[in-house]
Amino acid sequence: GAGVSQTPSNKVTEKGKYVELRCDPISGHTALYWYRQSLGQGPEFLIYFQGTGAADDSGLPNDRFFAVRPEGSVSTLKIQRTERGDSAVYLCASSYAAGGGRAADTQYFGPGTRLTVL
Amino acid sequence: SQQGEEDPQALSIQEGENATMNCSYKTSINNLQWYRQNSGRGLVHLILIRSNEREKHSGRLRVTLDTSKKSSSLLITASRAADTASYFCATDAGGTSYGKLTFGQGTILTVHP
Repeated sequence: GAGVSQTPSNKVTEKGKYVELRCDPISGHTALYWYRQSLGQGPEFLIYFQGTGAADDSGLPNDRFFAVRPEGSVSTLKIQRTERGDSAVYLCASSYAAGGGRAADTQYFGPGTRLTVL
Repeated sequence: SQQGEEDPQALSIQEGENATMNCSYKTSINNLQWYRQNSGRGLVHLILIRSNEREKHSGRLRVTLDTSKKSSSLLITASRAADTASYFCATDAGGTSYGKLTFGQGTILTVHP
């Protein structure tokens, strides 16, 4: 079946602009995660959704970052007033209900969106 | 913040040799996972080991976990050029942090044909 998909694959924007990054999880996965990966680093957790609600948003760096998942499937990560330091690959992952059985532990990652802020 | 620290940062070997990567972490965990990443894009899940397990195998992969030392190792046997990638360990602390993976900085593995 289809894996996690993310659009766009690449996004170039200017400092101060607003961007939206989209994630389409694997069908049936109720948990969805956003991570950010800077060059040469491991991914860093941003936010995790269980269904429609954000179960943990402790990784969002500041109030310029916001994410939604209105119908419990597709999620959008929104970044306002982008800064050059926001440049990174934004990764989305999904899994079965986190906190459930063994199958819930494995997160399946999408290919990421490479954001470049000029 | 990065909980895991991986060692070595880079590893270069010949095809057919074994590759060993190590991961250390700071806090107690529910499980530890290893991922592979090609060309800086999507991560592929390799193996998960739970805190009450000491060793797991999957094909040419062998993972060990020592919770007393807060460390794990990933062994790839009989390496192939296609194994060239970055490898990351990620910990899941469980509890209120369940599902929130904390990644190390990764090991860049290069396998020469």
